[in-house]
Amino acid sequence: QKEVEQNSGPLSVPEGAIASLNCTYSDRGSQSFFWYRQYSGKSPELIMSIYSNGDKEDGRFTAQLNKASQYVSLLIRDSQPSDSATYLCAVKGSNFGNEKLTFGTGTRLTIIP
Amino acid sequence: GAGVSQSPSNKVTEKGKDVELRCDPISGHTALYWYRQSLGQGLEFLIYFQGNSAPDKSGLPSDRFSAERTGGSVSTLTIQRTQQEDSAVYLCASSLGASGGQDTQYFGPGTRLTVL
Repeated sequence: QKEVEQNSGPLSVPEGAIASLNCTYSDRGSQSFFWYRQYSGKSPELIMSIYSNGDKEDGRFTAQLNKASQYVSLLIRDSQPSDSATYLCAVKGSNFGNEKLTFGTGTRLTIIP
Repeated sequence: GAGVSQSPSNKVTEKGKDVELRCDPISGHTALYWYRQSLGQGLEFLIYFQGNSAPDKSGLPSDRFSAERTGGSVSTLTIQRTQQEDSAVYLCASSLGASGGQDTQYFGPGTRLTVL
């Protein structure tokens, strides 16, 4: 079982609709969760971070965390063509001082105009 | 302010040669990380520096890989006797180094390494 799993996609969503990206993780003690956006040929860019159960909203983006289910998701409302990218889920381990991020392989999102 | 910078942006080398990749973290960031991303793969952790502590080298794939960080700032990742499977994008990230797990890593543009 991979430590962080994402559906690789591609996920196609019409412009203006809600895109839903999902991620599961295996380390039950993980405390910190991040969503990065990566455009083709570019480096990852932080979109959202979430540390507590529940929802966290920032503009058109909402991150959702359910530690009991070991599940984190990212919702993108009013999807725009500029949202077309690969979205990487990253999890920070539970060991104190273990600051490395473990990444999923990413979900490729395409917004259809 | 300036972000994480990396050089070179592209490196083409022949199998068996040594290469050095450089990373300049964001000013004031005490933590520095190296990851690599192979085609179609997720980011793979390589090594982590935090202040003056011993680095976490647990992700280095072989003893051909080494990294150092001089003066708590600039870092160099060295790959000796490169192999074709070393071809990847090498990404550097830095963070403030705050404890408690809520420390955000910011990535540089990466170095694309191609081993012929």
